[in-house]
Amino acid sequence: DAMVIQNPRYQVTQFGKPVTLSCSQTLNHNVMYWYQQKSSQAPKLLFHYYDKDFNNEADTPDNFQSRRPNTSFCFLDIRSPGLGDAAMYLCATAQGSNQPQHFGDGTRLSIL
Amino acid sequence: GESVGLHLPTLSVQEGDNSIINCAYSNSASDYFIWYKQESGKGPQFIIDIRSNMDKRQGQRVTVLLNKTVKHLSLQIAATQPGDSAVYFCAENDSSGSRLTFGEGTQLTVNP
Repeated sequence: DAMVIQNPRYQVTQFGKPVTLSCSQTLNHNVMYWYQQKSSQAPKLLFHYYDKDFNNEADTPDNFQSRRPNTSFCFLDIRSPGLGDAAMYLCATAQGSNQPQHFGDGTRLSIL
Repeated sequence: GESVGLHLPTLSVQEGDNSIINCAYSNSASDYFIWYKQESGKGPQFIIDIRSNMDKRQGQRVTVLLNKTVKHLSLQIAATQPGDSAVYFCAENDSSGSRLTFGEGTQLTVNP
């Protein structure tokens, strides 16, 4: 049974058209993460929420934002997608610090 | 078969052989390490973790070794099977304990 669920699995959007990716979890974990992964590369952390506290990575573009309305859901908003934003976007959760992160199967984003 | 991680991102072994995947980490203050397996089109899957107060930990067919002196982590897979073919990532935590830094990844191919 999937515990970190990402929808949709594949998303196509147009250059410059806002897009939202969603993640939900059934683990009741405190921490939720968003990663970007490009082909043949390691996942790159964009930001994370520890409960309601938002933690942005220094090199995450302003174009990327996130919302966590409740414990179970977290959203990634890309305000004006560029061609370079085409990638796999992974959501992960963790119970707390120094605990394993559990990943969803990602949303593959394509930009036309 | 054995990989050098950052310098040899691919490892090819025969079914039934043991595999060793190596990883050099950068932060001497890291105290939590994880190995992930990522199959094509899926999110990273937790394999095994180890904390810095240990130098060895065993799971089912997998063993992780930690050498803090030389900042080296390895994953040993016994009796490698075709289903083990995937990219393997090591990851280390940061001082907050909430963020992971992923290594480059090693592509393991198991030949029947």
